[in-house]
Amino acid sequence: SQKIEQNSEALNIQEGKTATLTCNYTNYSPAYLQWYRQDPGRGPVFLLLIRENEKEKRKERLKVTFDTTLKQSLFHITASQPADSATYLCALDSSGTYKYIFGTGTRLKVLA
Amino acid sequence: DTAVSQTPKYLVTQMGNDKSIKCEQNLGHDTMYWYKQDSKKFLKIMFSYNNKELIINETVPNRFSPKSPDKAHLNLHINSLELGDSAVYFCASSLSGGGYEQYFGPGTRLTVT
Repeated sequence: SQKIEQNSEALNIQEGKTATLTCNYTNYSPAYLQWYRQDPGRGPVFLLLIRENEKEKRKERLKVTFDTTLKQSLFHITASQPADSATYLCALDSSGTYKYIFGTGTRLKVLA
Repeated sequence: DTAVSQTPKYLVTQMGNDKSIKCEQNLGHDTMYWYKQDSKKFLKIMFSYNNKELIINETVPNRFSPKSPDKAHLNLHINSLELGDSAVYFCASSLSGGGYEQYFGPGTRLTVT
């Protein structure tokens, strides 16, 4: 069956360290994979998109990797700050349709 | 200048009632979506419209009926509300195709008592 899994436990890290979040999927062949941030009581906010033929994408302190062989994406936040504390969701398109499937999200807490 | 807006933000109603949630986007996008986020925070797509045409209908009970009067609006009407419909409903929009980010509204928290 099709599945998208993210770290189900909350991730606590110390300010200034690099946070690494994982998104694993099975039985999908996505052309695109996206990462979103969601704060409590708010809608998700888009962060980064990576295409199947790209290995890595960066934006300021954020970096995403996409390994279609391992069926995994890693999301890194370098020099993390307490303001980075939020839930991070990965989403992948289902075979190039208009349909994005979201993972369950990982709650990140950056400790001052 | 809100990009994607939803009304109302909160909706408390009794079982069996009918309610509607409205969504509007001013981004010029041609694809709009409804998502449901349950108490475990799992975000699940319900419907998608492209240029006012329904293109995704994800095994949602037919008590839920989306309507898109134009490309900028996508409303969700729910008949005969049930306890299990309690959730946060998000509207989103994007350009067409899979390679574009989605812009989400602030959500509507629906509580059915």
